[in-house]
Amino acid sequence: DAGVIQSPRHEVTEMGQEVTLRCKPISGHDYLFWYRQTMMRGLELLIYFNNNVPIDDSGMPEDRFSAKMPNASFSTLKIQPSEPRDSAVYFCASSRRLTGNSGNTIYFGEGSWLTVV
Amino acid sequence: DAKTTQPPSMDCAEGRAANLPCNHSTISGNEYVYWYRQIHSQGPQYIIHGLKNNETNEMASLIITEDRKSSTLILPHATLRDTAVYYCIAPVSNSGYALNFGKGTSLLVTP
Repeated sequence: DAGVIQSPRHEVTEMGQEVTLRCKPISGHDYLFWYRQTMMRGLELLIYFNNNVPIDDSGMPEDRFSAKMPNASFSTLKIQPSEPRDSAVYFCASSRRLTGNSGNTIYFGEGSWLTVV
Repeated sequence: DAKTTQPPSMDCAEGRAANLPCNHSTISGNEYVYWYRQIHSQGPQYIIHGLKNNETNEMASLIITEDRKSSTLILPHATLRDTAVYYCIAPVSNSGYALNFGKGTSLLVTP
């Protein structure tokens, strides 16, 4: 299996520009997660989907952020307009089921390194 | 998630066992304990998980106390490549079971 695939791996953009991050989850996984990691705040859960439907977006920082999952093999995280404080590593992850009492695990992509100048 | 407490950093000599502790005193009966690690510049990687019994796999061993209030991740023969941040997570049912990562323990394995 190719694992979770994210693109772009690195992006540098100017403040005010739109940024779109892409993710292809592992085939057969029903859950998809978007995380953000910064030095100050660590690894934060932004949003997750189950069968392409957003379940919990309480971690999305503000209206400038949006995420979609049009089908089981593709998701996007969009920032419009971008700001310097959005600079971070954005990870996508997927799993067959949620963790907790199912004893499941999630698999992470390599991340998209975003720098907004 | 059940609150977990880990030391911010630890050192371990190469070839020795690394024992990483985690307190999760508010964990409830059906909540698993998970361990992930993150090597610099990579995405987090699953290591092991357990509910009540001790667990072992090719990467590590997990020792969970009988009262389930704490656990220890053991890397039996640490190598330089084990240098990473190690996260102990106990997702709770009323939060939807999604994993929320804390600060973790930064493990430095030295030659």
